[in-house]
Amino acid sequence: EVQLVESGGGLVKPGGSLRLSCEGSGFAFSSYGMNWVRQAPGKGLEWVSSISGSGSYIYYADSVKGRFAISRDSAKKSLYLQMNSLRAEDTAVYYCTREKTTITVAATSADFWGQGTLVTVSS
Amino acid sequence: QSALTQPASVSGSPGQSITISCTGTNSDIGGYDYVSWYQQHPGKAPKLMIYDVSDRPSGVSDRFSGSKSGNTASLTISGLQAEDEADYYCSSYASSSTLLFGGGTKLTVL
Repeated sequence: EVQLVESGGGLVKPGGSLRLSCEGSGFAFSSYGMNWVRQAPGKGLEWVSSISGSGSYIYYADSVKGRFAISRDSAKKSLYLQMNSLRAEDTAVYYCTREKTTITVAATSADFWGQGTLVTVSS
Repeated sequence: QSALTQPASVSGSPGQSITISCTGTNSDIGGYDYVSWYQQHPGKAPKLMIYDVSDRPSGVSDRFSGSKSGNTASLTISGLQAEDEADYYCSSYASSSTLLFGGGTKLTVL
């Protein structure tokens, strides 16, 4: 059974940093691209970042480029999101998702989602 | 990176069919066959319902179907059931190797 479990969310002050983690199980982690998708309270979904299975291809939404960094550790079957220079508008539930296909290197479709971890940026 | 356009809400009675539209541009929906649809119930993570425009993941009811014409994709739900009441989001791969989501559509089953 495929499972994605996020951790690392919490309350942080504007300008602060936070690192999210996502541990995958039940599938060949290194074969799949992975993504972070966020959802602000009461709002819609927003794609944040993607990383290919090999880690060679990385993409970011303009809203986080230069502030966030995605990475992965295949040995630990884990995905990470380092978030720096956090702003109030980064407040959201952050979901870790798995790409449905092993063919594409960018985000196209997410077939498994974690339960999400809440990040609150407030003074 | 503008969001795709969806109606804010749609409604239908049990047994009826409804269609939710998702409009983009030549750089996203119109340029690629990587349109997906997600269902999200309150307090839950989204669930993939349609991928690659019209394919259904294993376990998703065949009452859900997807299509695309030009820059607009559509999700049709036939034989509407109370459990279908949820928020629905479309997404599309875009030319800058990014992923765009629609603003979401709240489906109400009357």
